[in-house]
Amino acid sequence: QVQLQESGPGLVKPSETLSLTCAVSGYSISTGYYWAWIRQSPGKGLEWIGSVWHGGSTYYNPSLRSRVTISLDTSKNHFSLKLNSVTAADTAVYYCARSGLGSPYNWFDPWGQGTQVSVSS
Amino acid sequence: DIQMTQSPSTLSVSMGDRVIITCRASQSISSWLAWYQQKPGKAPKLLIYKASTLESGVPSRFSGSGSGTEFTLTISSLQPDDVATYYCQQYDSYGTFGQGTKVEVK
Repeated sequence: QVQLQESGPGLVKPSETLSLTCAVSGYSISTGYYWAWIRQSPGKGLEWIGSVWHGGSTYYNPSLRSRVTISLDTSKNHFSLKLNSVTAADTAVYYCARSGLGSPYNWFDPWGQGTQVSVSS
Repeated sequence: DIQMTQSPSTLSVSMGDRVIITCRASQSISSWLAWYQQKPGKAPKLLIYKASTLESGVPSRFSGSGSGTEFTLTISSLQPDDVATYYCQQYDSYGTFGQGTKVEVK
């Protein structure tokens, strides 16, 4: 079955760039579906960050669009998140997930286990 | 932005009770609604999509209903494994989640 696994630094300094990777197994991301990043914090709850289509088109949450880049690496079967100019408000558990077919706005299933990222000097 | 409001925030129930969680959207989202279950330290798990379609493998005691702006998640008879926090998510425009409903045992 499809499995996703996030990886990346657990601590990022304020004003720097948060970079995470989601490794996908059991499915080739170049075949189809949208692939998404979602975060969860005590203050803001669950928040969709953005999605990337298997062909490379991207869709972002308007509140984060100016700071986010999501990209695919089909050769490694993974996709990545970059969030620049981070502040303490970006401290959260970050999840990657597969989104649905047919629309960039869809339900999410399955999810990775999540990775805690803290922003602190 | 479409806002999603869940009620109640916390439900204290007994095993075997019928559980009903409500989710309201700030504007019509047709049937573009999903429900998730999340246990501590784990990722959310999809239960229902398109308001009432049960995800494969999810027990039939879970059901969803509604359209437009009002939706419900029902657990017909609460089991120990159902103690968790439940979230709704609209996907009519972008994707926004409710704030969650924690189901606990009295």
